[in-house]
Amino acid sequence: DIQMTQSPSTLSASIGDRVTITCRASQNIYSWLAWYQQKPGKAPKFLIYKASSLESGVPSRFSGSGSGTEFTLTISSLQPDDFATYYCQQYNSYSPITFGQGTRLEIK
Amino acid sequence: QVQLEESGGGLVKPGESLRLSCAASGFTFSEYYMTWIRQAPGKGLEWVSSISTAGTTIYYVDSLKGRFTNSRDNAKNSLYLQMNSLRADDTAVYYCARGRGMGTFDKWGQGTPVTVSS
Repeated sequence: DIQMTQSPSTLSASIGDRVTITCRASQNIYSWLAWYQQKPGKAPKFLIYKASSLESGVPSRFSGSGSGTEFTLTISSLQPDDFATYYCQQYNSYSPITFGQGTRLEIK
Repeated sequence: QVQLEESGGGLVKPGESLRLSCAASGFTFSEYYMTWIRQAPGKGLEWVSSISTAGTTIYYVDSLKGRFTNSRDNAKNSLYLQMNSLRADDTAVYYCARGRGMGTFDKWGQGTPVTVSS
């Protein structure tokens, strides 16, 4: 199985900050990486696919980059609505699809 | 608009069975892969199973093969997850999600909670 490791597990930041979350894959997944945002008690929301493609309707302050085994999600200027947990997910194959353990973004 | 609504969750005893349903609306259901993903309390997301548009190809996480069965009825715009021999570690919120391309999930239901406890 492809293991996905996110860092940090928790990130404290302030409104207006630029933040970056890292996701590492245990083997090459090319650009087959997605990012999701989840708020407490809610379903995840699809943010980014193919490592850097922004889903329609997602604010442009979100961006993704990377390929191979190392990827990042960046929020250029944190807004109050951005405090949530973020998950990366690899889809290089269905054998199996795997998620990172999540990064909780909290208000400093 | 796209809507996915799960149902069928609840409290069951270890060893019992449960069948989850996901009713889809607002899109052409038969044109999309569909997936079940679960989340144990306080934990991360775990992919469970994906099913192709016609239901002819089904993928499962290895740990659940043989106990869980994913199926769909395109005439009823519905997705199902039959869960047998349930165990305490199957306790989770179960989400159905619409597939985008090969392996991403662009729309999710609100989830249905399953609790396995004696």
